[in-house]
Amino acid sequence: SAVISQKPSRDICQRGTSLTIQCQVDSQVTMMFWYRQQPGQSLTLIATANQGSEATYESGFVIDKFPISRPNLTFSTLTVSNMSPEDSSIYLCSVEGDRNTDTQYFGPGTRLTVL
Amino acid sequence: SQKIEQNSEALNIQEGKTATLTCNYTNYSPAYLQWYRQDPGRGPVFLLLIRENEKEKRKERLKVTFDTTLKQSLFHITASQPADSATYLCALDNFNKFYFGSGTKLNVKP
Repeated sequence: SAVISQKPSRDICQRGTSLTIQCQVDSQVTMMFWYRQQPGQSLTLIATANQGSEATYESGFVIDKFPISRPNLTFSTLTVSNMSPEDSSIYLCSVEGDRNTDTQYFGPGTRLTVL
Repeated sequence: SQKIEQNSEALNIQEGKTATLTCNYTNYSPAYLQWYRQDPGRGPVFLLLIRENEKEKRKERLKVTFDTTLKQSLFHITASQPADSATYLCALDNFNKFYFGSGTKLNVKP
């Protein structure tokens, strides 16, 4: 299994500012995923981040709003830019597990509140 | 459009009974389907995976079925315990990406 940590665990931000969320994994992984979970809702995939290439964004999410970095095989960042109250959500990173098991491991999430 | 449906209403059952949760999907042909447990304030935790060529999978008190004709998976917890109270999510694989249902909250009462 993989152990994933995220920073910060929570933050309260002002409208119009940006926040960068960090995701650290205790082992090298090829694919990392960023999700958003709005209150009372399920997880929505924002983008897939592979090391050494640009992130692939899902429909409805754009790089200007959610720039992602993936500098190595154990780390990634997601920035929520020019925030509005609609961006208030939990942001989770995940990694693929053992290919033989086709599982995913999730970080604890970052709870973001935008005022 | 792609759609994954789980019962949005909470499921309330008595300790010791079997809980059955449903996941229906449309416009997918997933190679496999997963079930996760999520507790408040935490990320989802993987429970079980079932592949398209498997009808049923078991793990301790958990059982998952997968009917690709009905496009439905059922998730069973037998001899349920209050500690099983959580939100349960199904997720479908679509070309190495995972798409989640909205989850069903299970409350097991002592």
